[in-house]
Amino acid sequence: DADVTQTPRNRITKTGKRIMLECSQTKGHDRMYWYRQDPGLGLRLIYYSFDVKDINKGEISDGYSVSRQAQAKFSLSLESAIPNQTALYFCATSDFKGRSSYEQYFGPGTRLTVT
Amino acid sequence: DAKTTQPTSMDCAEGRAANLPCNHSTISGNEYVYWYRQIHSQGPQYIIHGLKNNETNEMASLIITEDRKSSTLILPHATLRDTAVYYCIVRVVGNTGKLIFGQGTTLQVKP
Repeated sequence: DADVTQTPRNRITKTGKRIMLECSQTKGHDRMYWYRQDPGLGLRLIYYSFDVKDINKGEISDGYSVSRQAQAKFSLSLESAIPNQTALYFCATSDFKGRSSYEQYFGPGTRLTVT
Repeated sequence: DAKTTQPTSMDCAEGRAANLPCNHSTISGNEYVYWYRQIHSQGPQYIIHGLKNNETNEMASLIITEDRKSSTLILPHATLRDTAVYYCIVRVVGNTGKLIFGQGTTLQVKP
């Protein structure tokens, strides 16, 4: 079984709808991250969480919110989806120890299309 | 954080070594060099990292120049499955864990 799973893998939704992307991990890591990737571009950080009570905004948090329900679960919500949020979304995890925090393990991604 | 420069694309023959360069001329003494790769539309995969000594693991070797201004990722025997975008990232070890992905190098391994 995969260490980092994301659901759904693909989603098409309409403008204005609320949508939640979910991420679960079995690696026992404290840190979890949400990134988005647009065609031909690198990944950009949306939110990251060091533990259940510590959530931080990344580069592009506007229009998104997150919830860390447990150490193993980190959800990303789009309160009112808009077409420019069409992208590939990745969840990642890492250990907390120093340079290990940059050894991140990524999920398979969720392809979201907002029409 | 130091900026990195990588070639946009490279080709490599299957079975040969792939040498991917990265320039990070403004790197500071406490910044590590990390390498990731992303196979088409899959999640990025951590490969290796180093500070100043050369590093090797089961996937690759990382050669960092003595002045640390550049590095080379070496895939010793490239296979078709190594075709991917390779990202060189320089980070200060700290609490954030934020990775900043640039454009990377698209490596095409050819039969």
